[in-house]
Amino acid sequence: QVQLQGSGPGPVPVKPSQTLSLTCTVSGDSVTSGAYFWHWIRQTAEKGLEWVGRISTSGTINYNPSLKSRVTISVDISRDQFSLSLNSVTAADTAVYYCAKGPRFYYPSSGYPFYFDDWAQGTLVSVSS
Amino acid sequence: QSALTQPRSVSGSPGQSVTISCTGTPSDIGTYDYVSWYQQHPGKAPKVMIYDVTRRPSGVPDRFSASKSGNTASLTISGLQTEDEADYYCCSYVGDYNWVFGGGTKLTVL
Repeated sequence: QVQLQGSGPGPVPVKPSQTLSLTCTVSGDSVTSGAYFWHWIRQTAEKGLEWVGRISTSGTINYNPSLKSRVTISVDISRDQFSLSLNSVTAADTAVYYCAKGPRFYYPSSGYPFYFDDWAQGTLVSVSS
Repeated sequence: QSALTQPRSVSGSPGQSVTISCTGTPSDIGTYDYVSWYQQHPGKAPKVMIYDVTRRPSGVPDRFSASKSGNTASLTISGLQTEDEADYYCCSYVGDYNWVFGGGTKLTVL
């Protein structure tokens, strides 16, 4: 049973124009598992849920086109973690950020790899001066 | 890519059935059979209830069912129970390795 735990800057707001950084720790399996994609999804009161991006340790990385110029997702294999970095933040980036996983391949038992099957508890990030 | 359209709220009494609609476009729901539904209780992370339009993960009660017609997907919950009271979100793959969610529907069990 894979478990995900997100962590972030804590209660201190991120200042506008700075960089937001979040980490997700994987347990119960390895982040190098070829069976999964590792995703970031955020939730705001205004826009609801928004997919941010995904990574696999095979080297595949995809970003939401609306955020692509500001987002970087990476993997730290030694720590079984994957991370999100979002630069030039504004108040609109204030959100609960979720890390999640999804299948990477089609299997009859789990279907096509276009959904998110496990989510961590969210991490609230506030952007404020 | 615009968000999918869901009703803001629906309600039903215990034992009844409710259906939540999710309207997209020919470019998302109309093209891809990769619609998923998520249940979110207050303060909790979303949980997948349906994937690939109609499939239920193990552990999800068969009271939850879903379908798709044209550009609209639907989630039906039959035999409503109090624990079903939550927010429900649809999600569709939209191609080019991108996903879009609906705005969410608050289900109230009266």
